[in-house]
Amino acid sequence: DAKTTQPPSMDCAEGRAANLPCNHSTISGNEYVYWYRQIHSQGPQYIIHGLKNNETNEMASLIITEDRKSSTLILPHATLRDTAVYYCIVYSIQGAQKLVFGQGTRLTINP
Amino acid sequence: NAGVTQTPKFQVLKTGQSMTLQCAQDMNHEYMSWYRQDPGMGLRLIHYSVGAGITDQGEVPNGYNVSRSTTEDFPLRLLSAAPSQTSVYFCASSYSMDTQYFGPGTRLTVL
Repeated sequence: DAKTTQPPSMDCAEGRAANLPCNHSTISGNEYVYWYRQIHSQGPQYIIHGLKNNETNEMASLIITEDRKSSTLILPHATLRDTAVYYCIVYSIQGAQKLVFGQGTRLTINP
Repeated sequence: NAGVTQTPKFQVLKTGQSMTLQCAQDMNHEYMSWYRQDPGMGLRLIHYSVGAGITDQGEVPNGYNVSRSTTEDFPLRLLSAAPSQTSVYFCASSYSMDTQYFGPGTRLTVL
């Protein structure tokens, strides 16, 4: 499985954009980038995923570099409820078909 | 839809006792998984199933059994509980292994 590297923690002011980076330098051509988050004590929640193109949904935007070796999850207007651990996961439907969660980034939104 | 439900929410066991953690989903998902999460750690995959009658091992399967007799249910059995199995257990389901819906978790303490 390709591995990902994320900063262990980040802070962001409420109302500002939160930009969470992820490195996945060994990603292969058929592997997608997925983002989940886990709010304290709850089960993880799917946010967004992408292959090559940038993606946007009601929760966030995902920017993937042209070489696909890194990506950034953007929460455009962070709120206190966005405080959570964010996991960047590389996944291939042709592989062992299982998500591998790393340590993630603990994002704290400050008032 | 109730989504993914897990019972019990909390459980305390003595070393050597056995028990079953229940997981059910009403979304007609083929894929179901069990994860454990130790304090300050990411999630680790215990077992997963790609459909009724089919199960496979994840990263940390030792000490746990699963079966999948119906699409809706995926129980996790602890054969002989050990203190090292103290953890929070999450069940998840999905149409495929990527976009998973997680239950609220079972907090297990083994004394």
